[in-house]
Amino acid sequence: DAGITQSPRYKITETGRQVTLMCHQTWSHSYMFWYRQDLGHGLRLIYYSAAADITDKGEVPDGYVVSRSKTENFPLTLESATRSQTSVYFCASSDPRGSGGTDTQYFGPGTRLTVL
Amino acid sequence: QKEVEQNSGPLSVPEGAIASLNCTYSDRGSQSFFWYRQYSGKSPELIMFIYSNGDKEDGRFTAQLNKASQYVSLLIRDSQPSDSATYLCAVRDTGRRALTFGSGTRLQVQP
Repeated sequence: DAGITQSPRYKITETGRQVTLMCHQTWSHSYMFWYRQDLGHGLRLIYYSAAADITDKGEVPDGYVVSRSKTENFPLTLESATRSQTSVYFCASSDPRGSGGTDTQYFGPGTRLTVL
Repeated sequence: QKEVEQNSGPLSVPEGAIASLNCTYSDRGSQSFFWYRQYSGKSPELIMFIYSNGDKEDGRFTAQLNKASQYVSLLIRDSQPSDSATYLCAVRDTGRRALTFGSGTRLQVQP
């Protein structure tokens, strides 16, 4: 079934290592988002992208890098992982033209990242 | 900074009762409002959206919006144990497509 997928689903890494989380969607949605979810903070926006080659910072972008060379992919890279980046990461996508203009976001299954 | 506030709960209701979940937001420019449900270990899934003042009903769920009071709520009628989850309120303004989420309210429906 098509949709939005994330890989890996679980990742354990060490402080200082570079880690890339992948996000792929098959709907051709123009917008894609990365959120992190931590206890007591809900979902916080890291970066988002309005289209290929257009990205913008969210609420908590420090320590993260994104790129979007193709509409369907939106990888998130932790350049030098820190313990504070231990979290669950969710990718989401939306299509402003759909759902009566309500711009519903659909979420991937998440990646649970542990930084030791 | 835009804020979305929710009581973290847990909110405990007996099976068959009405569960009332509340959310307030700080940005008067907010245009669209969303309720997501999230089961433990799973991703958020959309329950309802609302963008006009008043009530919007979908099955057992009713969303209520009061922009003057900057308040949005979700009512769940005939609550079932399967409704036990964390409910996330999210707000979108006209400036961008991203959502600002509350920290969620955990609902427990007791059989």
